[in-house]
Amino acid sequence: GNSVTQMEGPVTLSEEAFLTINCTYTATGYPSLFWYVQYPGEGLQLLLKATKADDKGSNKGFEATYRKETTSFHLEKGSVQVSDSAVYFCALSHQGAQKLVFGQGTRLTINP
Amino acid sequence: NAGVTQTPKFRVLKTGQSMTLLCAQDMNHEYMYWYRQDPGMGLRLIHYSVGEGTTAKGEVPDGYNVSRLKKQNFLLGLESAAPSQTSVYFCATLRPGSYEQYFGPGTRLTVT
Repeated sequence: GNSVTQMEGPVTLSEEAFLTINCTYTATGYPSLFWYVQYPGEGLQLLLKATKADDKGSNKGFEATYRKETTSFHLEKGSVQVSDSAVYFCALSHQGAQKLVFGQGTRLTINP
Repeated sequence: NAGVTQTPKFRVLKTGQSMTLLCAQDMNHEYMYWYRQDPGMGLRLIHYSVGEGTTAKGEVPDGYNVSRLKKQNFLLGLESAAPSQTSVYFCATLRPGSYEQYFGPGTRLTVT
């Protein structure tokens, strides 16, 4: 079945460091891919998405490229801020985007 | 607009007790979802609904029941709570014509 695997956390970085959070997927067909972010005490929010191979999603300085050949959708940011501290979830669509399959989440902490 | 709201925010139950979690949305979205979030396991879909009067099972439906009598409300019931149901529960809706799900702030449930 469809599944999403994220890099183990937690991840701790200093402010202005480069961030990569790895995400790989297993899916039949051609899923859409997403990154959601959960700030402390809140629900999840969509951060970015890509709907077909080689698409790049971007938002708030974060980027991720849909790589079909490596079945990956790694999240990157060139210079992180303390306000980026959150839990990040990679997800893929299922049944025409009516249902999502989530990875286990990666907790990111940025120290000043 | 309130978006997606969940009631209650916190609850402690004893094993065997019952309760209902309420999700309400004011965006007129057809699709609604209930997830549970457990450490290291991401979000897992419990049940979902594609419109008023409809419900369907997700990945982990056992021990839960749902109802969607009104379009704006999606109720999640636990008939006989078990410690394994200790979790954070999130409700979400799907924006029509997009892949974006909107999440409520969550309900933290502890079963002792």
